[in-house]
Amino acid sequence: DVKVTQSSRYLVKRTGEKVFLECVQDMDHENMFWYRQDPGLGLRLIYFSYDVKMKEKGDIPEGYSVSREKKERFSLILESASTNQTSMYLCASSLAQGNSPLHFGNGTRLTVT
Amino acid sequence: GIQVEQSPPDLILQEGANSTLRCNFSDSVNNLQWFHQNPWGQLINLFYIPSGTKQNGRLSATTVATERYSLLYISSSQTTDSGVYFCAVAEWGGGNQFYFGTGTSLTVIP
Repeated sequence: DVKVTQSSRYLVKRTGEKVFLECVQDMDHENMFWYRQDPGLGLRLIYFSYDVKMKEKGDIPEGYSVSREKKERFSLILESASTNQTSMYLCASSLAQGNSPLHFGNGTRLTVT
Repeated sequence: GIQVEQSPPDLILQEGANSTLRCNFSDSVNNLQWFHQNPWGQLINLFYIPSGTKQNGRLSATTVATERYSLLYISSSQTTDSGVYFCAVAEWGGGNQFYFGTGTSLTVIP
């Protein structure tokens, strides 16, 4: 079974802090994604990566950056956390082929105070 | 990007009842998946179904790609079916970006 692991289940940070959310997958997937989920808005794509050191902006990249130095790890960085970034963050991965299933981690619920 | 609409937004069922959830999408897709998000936030992949019909126990799904919709059927619902059901699609030639609907929130009461 594919395993996508997010480093924290719950996280509380202060406004202005730099925040790192880590995601690791164990199935050699080429593609990795970061989504945020907010009530009434569904899942919105922040960034995705299709290869090491490659990244593409999603629908809401402002205020975020990402890093993919190794194939299995995709990090989401909040350079200066703000209260409007309080949300559920979900990492996912898939194979490169367009017809591959998407596998999600358990999510990180981030609260910025 | 592709617009994805799910209906109904909310559904309350008595245990044992059947239900149909619908997903409409605005353009041709080469990937369509249904997910169940449980009350703890975990998203579980139910079906990969860009076309045709699949069944897995009490759940089945049908996608009619030419008419741009997919249906998820839940039969003999159980309280553990509660949660939010999402439909996600990826378009032909659109790389690997998935577009999600806003979900159907299902509550099954005993």
